[in-house]
Amino acid sequence: DARVTQTPRHKVTEMGQEVTMRCQPILGHNTVFWYRQTMMQGLELLAYFRNRAPLDDSGMPKDRFSAEMPDATLATLKIQPSEPRDSAVYFCASGTAGGPLEQYFGPGTRLTVT
Amino acid sequence: SQQGEEDPQALSIQEGENATMNCSYKTSINNLQWYRQNSGRGLVHLILIRSNEREKHSGRLRVTLDTSKKSSSLLITASRAADTASYFCATDAGGSYIPTFGRGTSLIVHP
Repeated sequence: DARVTQTPRHKVTEMGQEVTMRCQPILGHNTVFWYRQTMMQGLELLAYFRNRAPLDDSGMPKDRFSAEMPDATLATLKIQPSEPRDSAVYFCASGTAGGPLEQYFGPGTRLTVT
Repeated sequence: SQQGEEDPQALSIQEGENATMNCSYKTSINNLQWYRQNSGRGLVHLILIRSNEREKHSGRLRVTLDTSKKSSSLLITASRAADTASYFCATDAGGSYIPTFGRGTSLIVHP
């Protein structure tokens, strides 16, 4: 049963600290997304990759967020320095491009910045 | 923005009743999808309907699409307590096929 995995599932950190979230997309999927979900803003698209190349990161605060895909099995989202307003659930999703894109979501990383 | 807007924001029904949620969007789309999110979990894809389709079924789910009204509805028949979740519509347009999500409808089904 292929699934998107995310680590860690929960992260509590202090303001100013670096946070790294990891995602393993489903093998064979060539498109990977990072989303942030909060009660206030709903589900926001932060960035996405196709064949490991970043296609759009316009939803991401550039000064503190960065997203990479070092290889096809790993996507990372980093926040440095973290701020309390970054507290949210961060989801990774993957899919196969080439038509309507059904996304498979990971379980999310719940981030709390104090 | 292609973001769909779900209506109502919240829906509370009894087990066995039907639940209907609606999604409206602003401009022409290629496809519309419905996803479910259980509390504390990631979203799960339910059904996709293309712009040239008017209705699709999957088990107890029925989705309709009215492109003239720029709206879609998701009907869950004979609801169960396990259907309690948030339901999101996602639309895509243009050549990227990247879905944009609405804010969701929170459904509570009372046993």
